[in-house]
Amino acid sequence: QVQLVQSGAEVRKPGASVKVSCKASGYTFTSYAMHWVRQAPGQRLEWMGWINAGNGNTKYSQKFQGRVTITRDTSATTAYMELSSLRSEDTAVYYCARDSTIAAAGIAWGQGTLVTVSS
Amino acid sequence: SYELTQPPSVSVSPGQTARITCSGDALPKQYAYWYQQKPGQAPVLVIYKDSERPSGIPERFSGSSSGTTVTLTISGVQAEDEADYYCQSADSTNTWVFGGGTKLTVL
Repeated sequence: QVQLVQSGAEVRKPGASVKVSCKASGYTFTSYAMHWVRQAPGQRLEWMGWINAGNGNTKYSQKFQGRVTITRDTSATTAYMELSSLRSEDTAVYYCARDSTIAAAGIAWGQGTLVTVSS
Repeated sequence: SYELTQPPSVSVSPGQTARITCSGDALPKQYAYWYQQKPGQAPVLVIYKDSERPSGIPERFSGSSSGTTVTLTISGVQAEDEADYYCQSADSTNTWVFGGGTKLTVL
């Protein structure tokens, strides 16, 4: 079955960067897009961007343009999300989510990675 | 980008029917999707393409669409359905937008 396993919790200081990984299994990695969504404590889900795992093309939310980079390693069937110039407002749980040929939505999600930004 | 608007909260007694709405100008042209999220867990897709139910999702979950509003209906609500529910849509570039979420309380 489709499984997405994310890297562990991270603590960063303001101004630093963080890179979260999402290891995929149970399907052909290059056949689907991988999205990244975050959720600050008590807040709504917020879409950050996606990568076409086949050709590496990306699309980012305007809110994060210039600060977020999504990449993938097809040999490792892993997607990555790097966020730079971190500030306290970036403290959130970050999720990867795979879409589907039948739904432009997350049919499978990683378990989430808590990123805490604190001085 | 566009917005999706949901009521912050809905309350219902066990066995009753809960209806959660999501409004947005783009919804007549784009499908809506619904997620259930319980505390400390990742979201789970419960409805796709306005009214389709993924395998494994109970039949009491259904979706409908009318104009700029889509509705998630949970018939015969159970205590385990207490959760946050989010609507989501996507444009032609696969950019996702989420609603603000609705907390469903089972009284």
